[in-house]
Amino acid sequence: DAKTTQPTSMDCAEGRAANLPCNHSTISGNEYVYWYRQIHSQGPQYIIHGLKNNETNEMASLIITEDRKSSTLILPHATLRDTAVYYCIVRADNAGNNRKLIWGLGTSLAVNP
Amino acid sequence: NAGVTQTPKFRVLKTGQSMTLLCAQDMNHEYMYWYRQDPGMGLRLIHYSVGEGTTAKGEVPDGYNVSRLKKQNFLLGLESAAPSQTSVYFCASSYGATDTQYFGPGTRLTVL
Repeated sequence: DAKTTQPTSMDCAEGRAANLPCNHSTISGNEYVYWYRQIHSQGPQYIIHGLKNNETNEMASLIITEDRKSSTLILPHATLRDTAVYYCIVRADNAGNNRKLIWGLGTSLAVNP
Repeated sequence: NAGVTQTPKFRVLKTGQSMTLLCAQDMNHEYMYWYRQDPGMGLRLIHYSVGEGTTAKGEVPDGYNVSRLKKQNFLLGLESAAPSQTSVYFCASSYGATDTQYFGPGTRLTVL
């Protein structure tokens, strides 16, 4: 699986959009980009995933560049409850690689009042 | 629908003691996983199961054993605990091999 690079930490004002970048320059054609988050002391929570097209759900939007070498997770109106560590993971969507979710250290997002 | 639950939430062991961590899911998922999370490191896969009666090794399996006798339960055993096994343990499950993984709340284990 491809390695990802994320900033160690970021700050965001409450009510503003939080844009979390992720570099995955060695991503392969069959690898999806997944985002999870982990609120302090809790288990990781799935947010969103995509292959090449931009995706949006009730939690966030995922913007993937045309060359697929980087992506941005957007929380449109960050709240204090969005303070968490955000993990960007790339994973091939076939059974052989599923169990190898490679978790990095993620980005620690602090949403400030 | 409780999702994924883990028992116990906290535990302190002495070196050499044994214990079993229980993970239960009520989503009828085929796949279940055990991870550990240590400070300064990402989650690492210990063992996983692709269905009832099956188990397989992950990235860091040494010192742990697992069993999946029932589809809804996945047990992680430590036969002889060591201080290096002090960690937070997370269980996860997914419907299929490529589906989203749902995580439990974690078990905080300290080995003295």
